[in-house]
Amino acid sequence: DAGITQSPRYKITETGRQVTLMCHQTWSHSYMFWYRQDLGHGLRLIYYSAAADITDKGEVPDGYVVSRSKTENFPLTLESATRSQTSVYFCASTSGGTPYNEQFFGPGTRLTVL
Amino acid sequence: QKEVEQNSGPLSVPEGAIASLNCTYSDRGSQSFFWYRQYSGKSPELIMSIYSNGDKEDGRFTAQLNKASQYVSLLIRDSQPSDSATYLCAVNKDYGQNFVFGPGTRLSVLP
Repeated sequence: DAGITQSPRYKITETGRQVTLMCHQTWSHSYMFWYRQDLGHGLRLIYYSAAADITDKGEVPDGYVVSRSKTENFPLTLESATRSQTSVYFCASTSGGTPYNEQFFGPGTRLTVL
Repeated sequence: QKEVEQNSGPLSVPEGAIASLNCTYSDRGSQSFFWYRQYSGKSPELIMSIYSNGDKEDGRFTAQLNKASQYVSLLIRDSQPSDSATYLCAVNKDYGQNFVFGPGTRLSVLP
């Protein structure tokens, strides 16, 4: 299916475990983003990528690792999950090139860290 | 001061009324402005984008931008219960494609 997908949609894990959230887009968008959304904080940028092999930190990068070996994929890894990382995670993408392009969001992954 | 601020809400309006959602931003160099709608448990979806001062209309939705006042608003005419959602204001500060989102305003349209 065309668009932007995330997997898994729901994940329960334990403190200290490594977790990887997947994001895949079929538009060949240059830019991809990872956000977390928590009550009282809105959407906060974790990491973003301007192209394959180019990533940069956002507002809340601590405890997260990203990679982007292919344009269409942008996985987010929690190296050692903590309870404070319980959240809803959204991946987004945009074609970039101008300041006027909207970001398109994936359906989200609800992560619970016990 | 937060970079993007919105009415905390919730905002309740009767069906058929005009709902007015407001957003202010701090960076005068901001280039583009977006309104997203987010239903509970769903991802944000774009409703309107605006780049120049003035009004932009799309169906029942009107976005208004005043760069001098650093203010952007969204008006929803003839509000419907299906408009009940959280509305996120997003500001693109530069060419780096990094949006800054406001905290959102929850709108409830009462039948």
